[in-house]
Amino acid sequence: SAVISQKPSRDICQRGTSLTIQCQVDSQVTMMFWYRQQPGQSLTLIATANQGSEATYESGFVIDKFPISRPNLTFSTLTVSNMSPEDSSIYLCSVDLAGDDEQYFGPGTRLTVT
Amino acid sequence: LAKTTQPISMDSYEGQEVNITCSHNNIATNDYITWYQQFPSQGPRFIIQGYKTKVTNEVASLFIPADRKSSTLSLPRVSLSDTAVYYCLVVGGRRALTFGSGTRLQVQP
Repeated sequence: SAVISQKPSRDICQRGTSLTIQCQVDSQVTMMFWYRQQPGQSLTLIATANQGSEATYESGFVIDKFPISRPNLTFSTLTVSNMSPEDSSIYLCSVDLAGDDEQYFGPGTRLTVT
Repeated sequence: LAKTTQPISMDSYEGQEVNITCSHNNIATNDYITWYQQFPSQGPRFIIQGYKTKVTNEVASLFIPADRKSSTLSLPRVSLSDTAVYYCLVVGGRRALTFGSGTRLQVQP
């Protein structure tokens, strides 16, 4: 299993600013994922972040808006850039332990953009 | 990617068995069926995964018919703490998860 923490747990930001969300895992993992969950909605994958390579973004998400860093096997950051109220969501990271059947999710970061 | 369809919401009472059915008509040979549970203000949590027939763990049972075009998550004797959103996913070679709309289960006393 894996224990995942995210910082901050929540934040209120002004439009036009940027916020960096941190994801820390208690074990080394190859694959990490970033998801967005808008209020009352399901989860949508933003990107896959593998250590040592560029993040792979899903359709509708671009690196300029959501730059991701993956400096080592236990840590990743997602930045939400030039925020607008439409970016108000919960952002979650998850990890895939090689050989395990399940993914483990962080508690999420609740972002409100005013 | 195999699309999943499940009821938007279900209501139950404490002590009852709850069955949530999911359809996944275009499931591929290598795909597994996986269920996650999400409580408010938390990330999703893995419940159970299966390929065919029946799988049971300490939390739930998963029934998958021979054609694998549907599956049923069975929660025995639910309690108030089982109130959550339940997601049915089809997981294949791609490790990233594709979430559908989920089923919002409300358990009443």
